Amino acid sequence: AQTVTQSQPEMSVQEAETVTLSCTYDTSESDYYLFWYKQPPSRQMILVIRQEAYKQQNATENRFSVNFQKAAKSFSLKISDSQLGDAAMYFCAYSGRGGADGLTFGKGTHLIIQP
Amino acid sequence: DAGVIQSPRHEVTEMGQEVTLRCKPISGHNSLFWYRQTMMRGLELLIYFNNNVPIDDSGMPEDRFSAKMPNASFSTLKIQPSEPRDSAVYFCASSSPTPGQGTYGHTGELFFGEGSRLTVL
Repeated sequence: AQTVTQSQPEMSVQEAETVTLSCTYDTSESDYYLFWYKQPPSRQMILVIRQEAYKQQNATENRFSVNFQKAAKSFSLKISDSQLGDAAMYFCAYSGRGGADGLTFGKGTHLIIQP
Repeated sequence: DAGVIQSPRHEVTEMGQEVTLRCKPISGHNSLFWYRQTMMRGLELLIYFNNNVPIDDSGMPEDRFSAKMPNASFSTLKIQPSEPRDSAVYFCASSSPTPGQGTYGHTGELFFGEGSRLTVL
């Protein structure tokens, strides 16, 4: 079974600074998807960024980018120019490419933005 | 377009009562998921439907939990009888088919509803 590990229960960053959230996963598959979801206090789960494992290029969405290290099974999220609205729980998630299963989530990292 | 719609948003009930949570997925999506979120266990996949058929229900805690998807636009998660340890936020999510790969499976990108917060006293 696949597992997703987020080793940082909580992170804090100054507004406008850069922060990196860590995620590692375990799988025996060679092709899969990885995701970062954001859950603000409203509790709505919002997709931040997605990476397909067969793509070497790291995904980027505006201020959000990932560092995907397939061999190390590592998938970190970098948030540049942090804003107060970035404060939330961030979840790393894994899905097999065949789409035969749901997403497996990590336990989450609580990101605090200091004004 | 409307997103995934869940009801009720909040439910408070007494132990032993039946609870029914409802979900309307995004039109055109072929996969539907029920997740449970608690502080202790995080987000747990309870059941996954593809084309209205349950594909994986290994996450359903026990026989007190049941889920149905009678058609492509509606699903229910029922707990009978409810217990205090069932208190959690229950999320429904849906996903679309992978383009060019028929209707089996999904893209992996899930769209979540706002969740139903269940409190069992």
